[in-house]
Amino acid sequence: GNSVTQMEGPVTLSEEAFLTINCTYTATGYPSLFWYVQYPGEGLQLLLKATKADDKGSNKGFEATYRKETTSFHLEKGSVQVSDSAVYFCALSYHNTGTASKLTFGTGTRLQVTL
Amino acid sequence: NAGVTQTPKFRVLKTGQSMTLLCAQDMNHEYMYWYRQDPGMGLRLIHYSVGEGTTAKGEVPDGYNVSRLKKQNFLLGLESAAPSQTSVYFCASRPSGLLYEQYFGPGTRLTVT
Repeated sequence: GNSVTQMEGPVTLSEEAFLTINCTYTATGYPSLFWYVQYPGEGLQLLLKATKADDKGSNKGFEATYRKETTSFHLEKGSVQVSDSAVYFCALSYHNTGTASKLTFGTGTRLQVTL
Repeated sequence: NAGVTQTPKFRVLKTGQSMTLLCAQDMNHEYMYWYRQDPGMGLRLIHYSVGEGTTAKGEVPDGYNVSRLKKQNFLLGLESAAPSQTSVYFCASRPSGLLYEQYFGPGTRLTVT
């Protein structure tokens, strides 16, 4: 079956540090890939997505590239802020008839950014 | 637009009690989903619906039932709560076309003692 593996957290960084959160997936065919973010006490929000190989998703200074050859979708940001402290989820989905576009999530990585 | 709302926000149940969680969306979305979030396990799909009057099982459906009598509402029921159902429950919805994201509600924290 499909699965998503994320690096274990928590990740603790100082403000303005470089961030990488690793994500790899196991799936057949060509899924779409997503990063969702969950701020404390809130639901999940879509951060960025990529729908085919070599696509780069980007939003709010975060970016991730869909690498089919390494089955990866690593999240990066050049300079993190305290306000980026949250839990980040990598996920995949198939957008085919009959799949209902169900999401398969990784376990989440907690990011804590300090001053 | 309120987006996706969930009622209640918090609930404590005793083992064996029943309850219903309500999810409502005002975006006219066709698809709706119920997930549970547990520490170290990410979000797992309980049940989902691809339209009014339809429901289907997800990854972890045992102990839960759902109904989608109206397009805007998706109800999750626990007939006889167990401590293993202590979790945070999220509802989500999306349009039926390709490449749309899922929109999540704020969650319901349920504790079963």
